Amino acid sequence: DGGITQSPKYLFRKEGQNVTLSCEQNLNHDAMYWYRQDPGQGLRLIYYSQIVNDFQKGDIAEGYSVSREKKESFPLTVTSAQKNPTAFYLCASSISLQTVNTEAFFGQGTRLTVV
Amino acid sequence: DAKTTQPPSMDCAEGRAANLPCNHSTISGNEYVYWYRQIHSQGPQYIIHGLKNNETNEMASLIITEDRKSSTLILPHATLRDTAVYYCIVRVAFNSGGYQKVTFGTGTKLQVIP
Repeated sequence: DGGITQSPKYLFRKEGQNVTLSCEQNLNHDAMYWYRQDPGQGLRLIYYSQIVNDFQKGDIAEGYSVSREKKESFPLTVTSAQKNPTAFYLCASSISLQTVNTEAFFGQGTRLTVV
Repeated sequence: DAKTTQPPSMDCAEGRAANLPCNHSTISGNEYVYWYRQIHSQGPQYIIHGLKNNETNEMASLIITEDRKSSTLILPHATLRDTAVYYCIVRVAFNSGGYQKVTFGTGTKLQVIP
C-alpha cells in the first residue's frame, strides 16, 4: 500500500536532547513537508522540500533541522535549541510543489513529549 | 498565500447536512480551494478541492461563490464519524522562482451530535 509512514507514534525525550522524527513515503512524491500542531491550534509549517538535497524553511524553522538525502525520506530533528518542543508533528507529501491541482497526503503523526 | 477565515466551531445534528463556510476574499484567479479534515490525533485527510465550479465527490460537495471570495463545504448526511476539525486552505499558484507551500489555519471544529 502506498502512503506516508511516521515513526514512532509516541516519543519521549529528556530536555536538552536532540531527537529525530522519521518520515518515509512510497508515493514517489517530490515534495515533502513537516508541520507542528499544538493543542487547539492549526498546523504550522516547519520545513518543506521540493527535491532531494533541497529544502526551505517554513514559518517556524528555528530549533529544527531537516535533511533530504533520499526522495522517499525527510527526517526532522528537533534540537535542544527548540524552546517548546512538546507537540504533535505531522509529515506530508505531494506530487510537486509546482503543481497546483494536487493534494497533500499526511502521515499519522508523532506526538513528542519532552520532560 | 491567500488567507482563509473559518468559524472556530459548529454543531450539526446527526443525519443532517453540515455546511461549513470559508472566506478567502484575497484569493487569486488561479488559486484552488482545498478542504481537509483532521480527526483527533490523526493526520489530516483530503476531502475535496475546486477552482471555480462546484464540485462533488463521495465525501462532500464544495460550493464556490461566483466571485470566489467564499466557499462552503457540505457534508450531506453528517455522521458521528464526521466529527473533526475541517480546514479550508488556498493553494498558491505557481510562481516562477519560488516554491509553493501548503499552509493551514485553525479550521472549524465540527461536532456532530446524536
